[in-house]
Amino acid sequence: DQQVKQNSPSLSVQEGRISILNCDYTNSMFDYFLWYKKYPAEGPTFLISISSIKDKNEDGRFTVFLNKSAKHLSLHIVPSQPGDSAVYFCAASDFGTGNQFYFGTGTSLTVIP
Amino acid sequence: DAGVIQSPRHEVTEMGQEVTLRCKPISGHDYLFWYRQTMMRGLELLIYFNNNVPIDDSGMPEDRFSAKMPNASFSTLKIQPSEPRDSAVYFCASSEPGLYGGYYGYTFGSGTRLTVV
Repeated sequence: DQQVKQNSPSLSVQEGRISILNCDYTNSMFDYFLWYKKYPAEGPTFLISISSIKDKNEDGRFTVFLNKSAKHLSLHIVPSQPGDSAVYFCAASDFGTGNQFYFGTGTSLTVIP
Repeated sequence: DAGVIQSPRHEVTEMGQEVTLRCKPISGHDYLFWYRQTMMRGLELLIYFNNNVPIDDSGMPEDRFSAKMPNASFSTLKIQPSEPRDSAVYFCASSEPGLYGGYYGYTFGSGTRLTVV
């Protein structure tokens, strides 16, 4: 059963606008979340993380929001750039007990120049 | 460090043939993971090792799949016999601080794109 879900397989955004990628999880024990970025023919690479003790983490143009009650997190990219075009995976883990990460199905973002 | 190294980058094989995918983890990383990426299931964990010992292979889809880690610097994922539905991108990843991967998660290789015709 998929514990981490990304319900939008793809997203297209104009350059300069905001991109919002969403992720839902089912396991209330998850307390640490990551977003990975994957370019074609490359492996996923770490982008940004958030712990359950926070509801927001920001790194430059990238901000991740966490809504624990809704078991939902989102990644905001502002402003979006063509180089942001990639597949984005969210991942979650029960960090406190040292458990593995579970990954979502990915969202393919296309930023149109 | 060169990162996690996978070979080959691409593999095209005929149905029924044996396929072997290879992975060299980052030196010092004691966890190694094999993932499969498909459109339907995203990144799907197949098996992981700790200190060369297989810990959880519950994600291995069938007995046709097997994985080994004879030493700390090498792992293989074998499919025998291969079938068209095995076509996917297979990733190897490694982790130093443990199963939880630390604050930055796992380090992935570039993947092997397998096509079974």
